[in-house]
Amino acid sequence: ETGVTQTPRHLVMGMTNKKSLKCEQHLGHNAMYWYKQSAKKPLELMFVYSLEERVENNSVPSRFSPECPNSSHLFLHLHTLQPEDSALYLCASSPGLAGAYEQYFGPGTRLTVT
Amino acid sequence: AQSVTQLDSQVPVFEEAPVELRCNYSSSVSVYLFWYVQYPNQGLQLLLKYLSGSTLVESINGFEAEFNKSQTSFHLRKPSVHISDTAEYFCAVSAIVSNDYKLSFGAGTTVTVRA
Repeated sequence: ETGVTQTPRHLVMGMTNKKSLKCEQHLGHNAMYWYKQSAKKPLELMFVYSLEERVENNSVPSRFSPECPNSSHLFLHLHTLQPEDSALYLCASSPGLAGAYEQYFGPGTRLTVT
Repeated sequence: AQSVTQLDSQVPVFEEAPVELRCNYSSSVSVYLFWYVQYPNQGLQLLLKYLSGSTLVESINGFEAEFNKSQTSFHLRKPSVHISDTAEYFCAVSAIVSNDYKLSFGAGTTVTVRA
């Protein structure tokens, strides 16, 4: 595998379910991000990790819980979601935390909450 | 905080015609500027970026963008598009401030190239 991978690619879950999204980067980067992408809206930054420490929690509801066990892996644990949480969830990584760095994105997980 | 406005939500264009995607930003500090492209069923990938130096930057596949500080713009152009350029294009900015790493994105412009 190369770049940034995400699993699953598609997920349908009920409002009472618990599920997790997984992201893995094979680039040796130190920073990882979760974004929410909704149609015709700017990407929303959710969480940022640098060297496995969370540095950003962008007013995200507690039904989203991130986990970064090491610098290559990032999880987003989901529970008691709402239909408005349906979106594409993108993971990204960058060499470090600096505005000049390019971010490398995974293909995303398309989440549908029923 | 920075904000980005992409002035066109959708741009239909014929193959081999030119295209321009408009991007304006707002910021109280100097910024880095980026264009990302998202092909169907894929994540975003960097198309080109302006960090410093020449205000005209180019990508390997024929796109170019020009940073205009007085107009706070970073419009993207390609003189002749291909069917394979059909995608969504995102303009993004980040502040040139230490400890500021956030990318602020526009809402995207969908380019549809027709034969």
